[in-house]
Amino acid sequence: KAGVTQTPRYLIKTRGQQVTLSCSPISGHRSVSWYQQTPGQGLQFLFEYFSETQRNKGNFPGRFSGRQFSNSRSEMNVSTLELGDSALYLCASSLRTSGTDTQYFGPGTRLTVL
Amino acid sequence: SQELEQSPQSLIVQEGKNLTINCTSSKTLYGLYWYKQKYGEGLIFLMMLQKGGEEKSHEKITAKLDEKKQQSSLHITASQPSHAGIYLCGADDSNYQLIWGAGTKLIIKP
Repeated sequence: KAGVTQTPRYLIKTRGQQVTLSCSPISGHRSVSWYQQTPGQGLQFLFEYFSETQRNKGNFPGRFSGRQFSNSRSEMNVSTLELGDSALYLCASSLRTSGTDTQYFGPGTRLTVL
Repeated sequence: SQELEQSPQSLIVQEGKNLTINCTSSKTLYGLYWYKQKYGEGLIFLMMLQKGGEEKSHEKITAKLDEKKQQSSLHITASQPSHAGIYLCGADDSNYQLIWGAGTKLIIKP
């Protein structure tokens, strides 16, 4: 099976712009989670989508939003970009048939905000 | 809220030597995951532990979960350059979200 894919891999934006990141999960996986990783804060949970519904949300401002499509592909949007949004954004997919389920990560999208 | 503490933060090991990384939780662990990350890339799943006293191995990497299910260790035997990277532990919290340790950066000296 193909792994989790994320596009684009690298992105450079300026403050105030918005950005959309895309994630395609492993075939058959219905859960997609998004994470932000920075050197200072480590890996932080953004949100999880399961069957097109947001199931969990981390402690991020409303500028960060997401959605999931019927084919389980997910997009994450960040509006009004700030310098502090520069980070590696990772998505992970899982079956999520039970509470404990392994997440498989994509290669990430490196976002730089100038 | 549950927290995961990893130690050490970084480790420099001579190639061929053994090493251990620890992950300690403030609460009982119900699912403990170990991942490896090369700089700037995605996380690669290594192992998942659920039961107290459980031990799993893959090639030269062994992970254990203690009987009280509050600490896990990752042991690498006869380290190789390919083992270099950042090792992260993650655990299911009460909302079935993963919380993460800060990571251990491993450098292998040739």
